[in-house]
Amino acid sequence: AQKITQTQPGMFVQEKEAVTLDCTYDTSDPSYGLFWYKQPSSGEMIFLIYQGSYDQQNATEGRYSLNFQKARKSANLVISASQLGDSAMYFCAMYKGSYGKLTFGQGTILTVHP
Amino acid sequence: GAGVSQSPSNKVTEKGKDVELRCDPISGHTALYWYRQSLGQGLEFLIYFQGNSAPDKSGLPSDRFSAERTGGSVSTLTIQRTQQEDSAVYLCASTLRGRSETQYFGPGTRLLVL
Repeated sequence: AQKITQTQPGMFVQEKEAVTLDCTYDTSDPSYGLFWYKQPSSGEMIFLIYQGSYDQQNATEGRYSLNFQKARKSANLVISASQLGDSAMYFCAMYKGSYGKLTFGQGTILTVHP
Repeated sequence: GAGVSQSPSNKVTEKGKDVELRCDPISGHTALYWYRQSLGQGLEFLIYFQGNSAPDKSGLPSDRFSAERTGGSVSTLTIQRTQQEDSAVYLCASTLRGRSETQYFGPGTRLLVL
């Protein structure tokens, strides 16, 4: 069975600094995709970034980048130049196989200090 | 609007009552997913619809839970004889065709069973 692990229940970062949120995964399927979602206190799930298992390059979306280390089965999210609005819960998720049923990690609460 | 919509946004019910939660996916999206987010359990997959195919119900926690999707668009998740442990946020997501695409989430329905 596939599993996603986020080992950091909470992280703190100073405004304008970079922060890395950890995510490791476990699957024996060669075809999979990894997502990061942001969930602010309002509750909606906001898509941030996607990495496919066959993608050669790390995904980037603006201030977000995904540090994909396939051999280590890690997919860490890097947020550069943190902003106060980045304070939220962050979920790493993975789909496997032929359709997109997602398995989620437990989440990391990020707090950005001014 | 252009996004996934869900109703009601909040629902308080008494133990033993039935509830219906509605999801209206993004227009043209053929794949629809229901997830549940509860304290201590994180986000868990419930059910998946793709076009006219038989739904994947593998995540439904008990036979009190059922869902249908009429006309390939709107979906209704029904919980019969609600229990206190059913209290959670129920999230709906949709994608154009399923598979490796980004899932776009609705705002969720917060269910509280007293």
